[in-house]
Formats: sequence, structure tokens, C-alpha cells
Amino acid sequence: DAGVIQSPRHEVTEMGQEVTLRCKPISGHNSLFWYRQTMMRGLELLIYFNNNVPIDDSGMPEDRFSAKMPNASFSTLKIQPSEPRDSAVYFCASTFQGSSGEAFFGQGTRLTVV
Amino acid sequence: SQQGEEDPQALSIQEGENATMNCSYKTSINNLQWYRQNSGRGLVHLILIRSNEREKHSGRLRVTLDTSKKSSSLLITASRAADTASYFCATDEGSNTGKLIFGQGTTLQVKP
Repeated sequence: DAGVIQSPRHEVTEMGQEVTLRCKPISGHNSLFWYRQTMMRGLELLIYFNNNVPIDDSGMPEDRFSAKMPNASFSTLKIQPSEPRDSAVYFCASTFQGSSGEAFFGQGTRLTVV
Repeated sequence: SQQGEEDPQALSIQEGENATMNCSYKTSINNLQWYRQNSGRGLVHLILIRSNEREKHSGRLRVTLDTSKKSSSLLITASRAADTASYFCATDEGSNTGKLIFGQGTTLQVKP
């Protein structure tokens, strides 16, 4: 398996634009997590899904953020409209619920909003 | 809010020395995990210790867990320059959903 795949790796966008981040989890994993990493706040859990269903989105900072998981092999995190303070590295991770709990992370998307 | 708090925030040692990082957490847990992050990369799982375990080894890594103090430590023995990275502890807050809450991390620099 190629691991968790995120795209794009880098995104530079202007304030006010819509941004869509994509994630393909490891095949067979049934839990998917979106994290945001910044120097100031560290690694924050934004939202997670079990069996494609959002379980806890309390970490989503504002209504400008939304996430979907239409099937077991794909998830998106959308920011609309984007703001400079959204600049961060966004990670997707997947795991198999009921396993040892080890999470597998993608390489991240570095988002810069100017 | 962050569950784990690592200490120290930054550590600089010479190659061959041992590195010890500490993590404190606030809630009950099923297990505690340690991850490593190289600059510009995703996190990689290192080791997991269950709440009923007190110590675990994996190669040059040694993890301890004290649930009464809600703390854990990660020891890297005979460090190498390639160990330079950030290290994070993560806990499940007692849930079985796979959810992980990470600490702020310790940045380790190993000088050759």
C-alpha cells in the first residue's frame, strides 16, 4: 500500500478563495482524521470519521471549514472563504478502529493564504 | 486543547548521548503512543504502551508509563544525528474510536 495520500502537497491561494484538500486513506482503514499543525497551536484534531460518518467535528475552527467522506477511500477538507490565519500544514491520518490504535499519516498539505 | 504536554520543548545533545523526553496528560487512557516527525514530513508511529504496561522497549527506544502520575517518558539511547526530529506523545483519552490527541512535541537535535 502506498500509505495515506494527500493532495496537493503545497497550496498557495489568495484570501477569500475556496481551498479543497484531499486525502486517500490506507485501504481497509475505517477511521480517518484531519489535523492542522501550526507553530503556535501545535497539532490540532479538526474532525474524524468512522466508517465514513463524521463522529466529532468539535475541532473545526469555524463554519468556513467543512469536511466530507463520500466513501471509504476519499475525504476532502474544504475552506471557504480562506483567510491568512488558515495558513498551516494540514494532515490526514487513517487507522483501523479496534486495532492497536497506530495512526498512519500522510505527508501533509502546506497551505499558504496570502 | 492539547491532551499531552511534552517536556522539554527543545533538547540538544551530542551523538552517542541518551535523550529523554517526558509527556504529561490529563484524562484516563487506554494507551499512549509516541510519534516522530522529521522536518516537512508527516508523523511516524514509534511505539505504543498500554495503560496496564509500565515499560516497553523497541530497539534503542524505551518508554515508561506511570498512570498514577499521568506521565510517560521516551528514552532514546545512543542517539544518532539521524534521530534529529520532533517527538510527540498522543493519547486516546480513554476512547475506542481511534481518536488521538497530541502534545506540543519535543524538538530534538543530535549534533554529530
